[in-house]
Amino acid sequence: EIVLTQSPGTLSLSPGERATLSCRASQSVKTNYLAWYQHKRGQAPRLLITGASNRATGVPDRFSGSGSGTDFTLTISRLEPEDFAVYYCLQYGGLPPWTFGQGTRVEIK
Amino acid sequence: QITLEESGPTLVKPTETLTVTCTVSGFSLSSSGVGVDWIRQPPGKALEWLALIYWDDDKRYSPSLKSRLTITKDTSKNKVFLTMTNMDPVDTATYYCAHRRLGQPPGAWGQGTLVTVSS
Repeated sequence: EIVLTQSPGTLSLSPGERATLSCRASQSVKTNYLAWYQHKRGQAPRLLITGASNRATGVPDRFSGSGSGTDFTLTISRLEPEDFAVYYCLQYGGLPPWTFGQGTRVEIK
Repeated sequence: QITLEESGPTLVKPTETLTVTCTVSGFSLSSSGVGVDWIRQPPGKALEWLALIYWDDDKRYSPSLKSRLTITKDTSKNKVFLTMTNMDPVDTATYYCAHRRLGQPPGAWGQGTLVTVSS
């Protein structure tokens, strides 16, 4: 089973600042099948990034994903008020189990 | 527009069997490449992938829960079911279903249904 470790656990930033979230895998993620989700309390998780770096339909270009192998990053170039949420990475390559990281909370400073 | 809606009991007793239902619209469960996942989130904890069923009835399970899980679908009724046996308080969680296409991660998700396990 691939274990995903996200850091930091909590990121305290102000609107307009840049957010950099990390997701590290315990072994190489097959074909960079790494996704990022945004999750707000009481709502369905929203898919942001697929294949490590491809924005999902309708996702603003301030969200970008990068990385390969075992190290992946989600960057939010300029935080908007609606971006404060919990972010999860998911590896979906190879055989199950497909695993999520434990999440990074982006909160208003 | 793809939508999914979970339903099921809000409270189950320990040792009971849980069945949650996912009613889908905007796509067919028999369309080539289509799959539906079940994912859960215990209160205050991370997301956990549980099971997946594909259009061709291929099924995948979390190895740690495989002995307790059964995923099925009724294509004619646009429903996907997840059964989990021998429920325990640690299974208290919001249970989500989500749509995916082959080779892609879960995309559209339902709002989730909270299931509490307590005597």
